[in-house]
Amino acid sequence: EAGVTQSPTHLIKTRGQQATLRCSPISGHTSVYWYQQALGLGLQFLLWYDEGEERNRGNFPPRFSGRQFPNYSSELNVNALELEDSALYLCASSLEAGLLSTDTQYFGPGTRLTVL
Amino acid sequence: KQEVTQIPAALSVPEGENLVLNCSFTDSAIYNLQWFRQDPGKGLTSLLLIQSSQREQTSGRLNASLDKSSGRSTLYIAASQPGDSATYLCAVVSGSRLTFGEGTQLTVNP
Repeated sequence: EAGVTQSPTHLIKTRGQQATLRCSPISGHTSVYWYQQALGLGLQFLLWYDEGEERNRGNFPPRFSGRQFPNYSSELNVNALELEDSALYLCASSLEAGLLSTDTQYFGPGTRLTVL
Repeated sequence: KQEVTQIPAALSVPEGENLVLNCSFTDSAIYNLQWFRQDPGKGLTSLLLIQSSQREQTSGRLNASLDKSSGRSTLYIAASQPGDSATYLCAVVSGSRLTFGEGTQLTVNP
């Protein structure tokens, strides 16, 4: 069974540009979560999508947005990139909906975003 | 606001040692607690999940305990091996959110 996949592996952008990151969940999983892991800041919850809708978001500005497609894959968009957006962005999926489920989250390998 | 702290930040031990990693959280109203492993440049692998009603979980050489009232969890690794070298992250679910600690970087020396 294929795990969570993310693309691209690495992404280099300049300040002010937009970045689009993609995630494909494990087959059968309907919930997708996005996290940011910036140096020195630990892993921060960004967004949660389930059944095509945004269910929860962390303390991030509106320029961080995303969507979930009918096949449950997801995109994370970061507009007006800033230097501090440089981080590893991790996507996770789970079988049951929401963080309060008894099911664990399965993580992808991440996309390393560098903003110059 | 939930805060998760992990001690120590880094740990280096010789192969074969038993070791304990610590995790503490400020809000005891948690739904569950998970321990993850992260290898350099890679995503997270879930090791153990403890529901709030449970006190411990075991998987192979790993044992995780949970004391909700004191806001603490420990991850015990028996007979450590070089392949256990990684960063170990603790995360709690509370208030519909998953909050991570900053991790303990473990190095097991052959």
